[in-house]
Amino acid sequence: AQKITQTQPGMFVQEKEAVTLDCTYDTSDPSYGLFWYKQPSSGEMIFLIYQGSYDQQNATEGRYSLNFQKARKSANLVISASQLGDSAMYFCASSRKANAGGTSYGKLTFGQGTILTVHP
Amino acid sequence: NAGVTQTPKFQVLKTGQSMTLQCAQDMNHEYMSWYRQDPGMGLRLIHYSVGAGITDQGEVPNGYNVSRSTTEDFPLRLLSAAPSQTSVYFCASSWMYEQFFGPGTRLTVL
Repeated sequence: AQKITQTQPGMFVQEKEAVTLDCTYDTSDPSYGLFWYKQPSSGEMIFLIYQGSYDQQNATEGRYSLNFQKARKSANLVISASQLGDSAMYFCASSRKANAGGTSYGKLTFGQGTILTVHP
Repeated sequence: NAGVTQTPKFQVLKTGQSMTLQCAQDMNHEYMSWYRQDPGMGLRLIHYSVGAGITDQGEVPNGYNVSRSTTEDFPLRLLSAAPSQTSVYFCASSWMYEQFFGPGTRLTVL
């Protein structure tokens, strides 16, 4: 079984500053993926970034980067140059491959989320 | 591409009623899943499918049934609705590392 812990119920950041959202995970699977999703007040789930457990480099997608520390089992999301539109709920999630030898991930396990508020 | 579509968007049921939440995707993804999101919580997996004719239980399957007769459709059936099933339901399909979520169905059981 996989477990995700997000210890920050809420975070505040000033516009244009960087912010780090914490995520720790627990899994016994040797191969897994780590994910971050954004959920704005409108309710949809928006995929932000992915990190594979065997990836040597930290993942980056535009202003988003994932600080992956495998030994510490942490997968923190860093948002650079925060914008007002970044205000939302952010979920960290993990998954193992959907089936042996497959390429797709399924069975996401989510953390409880962090509400990010960006102040002007 | 419409992506992942869900109907209805909103539904109110009385305790004991049954209903089916519809989910369809037009991306030819083999893997589909259903999640529920309760207030202040992350999503929890109800059921999933790795292809037509193959389904399995997730973390919170009690009170729900699924079937997968085609690649495109993955309906979720509530057998006898209970107030504890009041939640927002998301359907998703996945390819590689990305899960594509539908817009959600907000269900209230009175």
